[in-house]
Amino acid sequence: GAVVSQHPSWVICKSGTSVKIECRSLDFQATTMFWYRQFPKQSLMLMATSNEGSKATYEQGVEKDKFLINHASLTLSTLTVTSAHPEDSSFYICSARDYRGSYEQYFGPGTRLTVT
Amino acid sequence: KQEVTQIPAALSVPEGENLVLNCSFTDSAIYNLQWFRQDPGKGLTSLLLIQSSQREQTSGRLNASLDKSSGRSTLYIAASQPGDSATYLCAVLRGTSYDKVIFGPGTSLSVIP
Repeated sequence: GAVVSQHPSWVICKSGTSVKIECRSLDFQATTMFWYRQFPKQSLMLMATSNEGSKATYEQGVEKDKFLINHASLTLSTLTVTSAHPEDSSFYICSARDYRGSYEQYFGPGTRLTVT
Repeated sequence: KQEVTQIPAALSVPEGENLVLNCSFTDSAIYNLQWFRQDPGKGLTSLLLIQSSQREQTSGRLNASLDKSSGRSTLYIAASQPGDSATYLCAVLRGTSYDKVIFGPGTSLSVIP
């Protein structure tokens, strides 16, 4: 199957700083990527849909000025957590949809963010 | 609004047993349904994808069925192994444009050696 990578796999930052997470589709072009966050023992919560070349669509309750999404190419989307606070500590997962027929969705390995 | 539920929320079985995980969705107008596996602290691994025109898909010891009219899918795991212990999530996709996938809450499976 197709591969989606994320970088970094884990990051620790101080409160007030910004953190950028990258999501790449390695062997297919993804016009649409999705960003999720997951708290311990809970299911995935969709944060936003990232469309190549246009503005991201955020889910209700997600602050677009805090979680900046950029989808500058067909293989790369980035999520920047600005002015991070301890409550932003979470597991962030991206996914990309392969539009070559099956529309199967592939997930990255996730990024563990800890804000101290 | 599409809602996806999964039963049971948690399941513990002895090694070697066959088991069934259930997924229900409220809107039968789906494009496809995917089953995923998630290990603790990891991302999701796609197990099986069933197109809306299909009834089932098989991969090794896994078999997933889809009954669109009743809004149900099942994931059958044969001869369970301790390595199958994980959380299993089902997700439905409504359309092929920019529709988002809707996830169920997952079933936490523990296979006891």
